[in-house]
Amino acid sequence: DTGVSQNPRHKITKRGQNVTFRCDPISEHNRLYWYRQTLGQGPEFLTYFQNEAQLEKSRLLSDRFSAERPKGSFSTLEIQRTEQGDSAMYLCASSPQGGEYEQYFGPGTRLTVT
Amino acid sequence: GESVGLHLPTLSVQEGDNSIINCAYSNSASDYFIWYKQESGKGPQFIIDIRSNMDKRQGQRVTVLLNKTVKHLSLQIAATQPGDSAVYFCAENNNAGNMLTFGGGTRLMVKP
Repeated sequence: DTGVSQNPRHKITKRGQNVTFRCDPISEHNRLYWYRQTLGQGPEFLTYFQNEAQLEKSRLLSDRFSAERPKGSFSTLEIQRTEQGDSAMYLCASSPQGGEYEQYFGPGTRLTVT
Repeated sequence: GESVGLHLPTLSVQEGDNSIINCAYSNSASDYFIWYKQESGKGPQFIIDIRSNMDKRQGQRVTVLLNKTVKHLSLQIAATQPGDSAVYFCAENNNAGNMLTFGGGTRLMVKP
C-alpha cells in the first residue's frame, strides 16, 4: 500500500490521559499535514511540516498538542491531558515537492475521550 | 463504519442521473480549489482540482466549474453510480500549499 497510513485507527481514552498518533506519509512526500475533523464538519488545519521543520501551527493547536517529524519521514501527534472536546478524527495528509497543493489524506485516527 | 456528516445537506439522485454539488468559498485570494470525496470511516479522497486561472476542468465522469465573480465552485458527476455515494467537500488554498480550508460538505445519496 503506497498511500498515507495512520495508526491507530481508533483510540478510546479517559479524560486526562495522554495519547499519541502516528502518520506515515507517502514515500518521498516532503510535506506532511495534520487536520482535525468533527462529525458534520470538514477537516480543520492543525499544523504542517516541510521535511522535519514544523512551519505553521493553527490556533486550534493548543499547548496540550505537540507534533513532531524527527527524520522528515513519519510524524507523531501527541495530545496531553486529553479533554472530551478533543474527541474527533485526526487526519494526516502529505504532498510531494512541487505539488504542495495536492494533499493526499490517510484514513484518520478516531479519538474518543470518555 | 462511522458516519461522516450526520447533519449535512443531502443530495439524493437516481443511479444514472447527473449530479451537481455546489460550494461557496469565502476568500477571493484563493488560487487553488479541490474537491474531495469522503466515505464513511475513511479519509478524504482527492477527486479533481482547478486553479483560479481556469473556469472549467474535466476529469473522468467529473467536471469542476469555477465562477470567481460570485466565488462559487461546483462539481458535476456524470452518470452517477452507487459507488459515488459519499460526503463531498470543496477545499480552497490561498497560502502556497500550507493549508486547505474546507467547506461544510454535501452528502450525495445515489438510489439504485
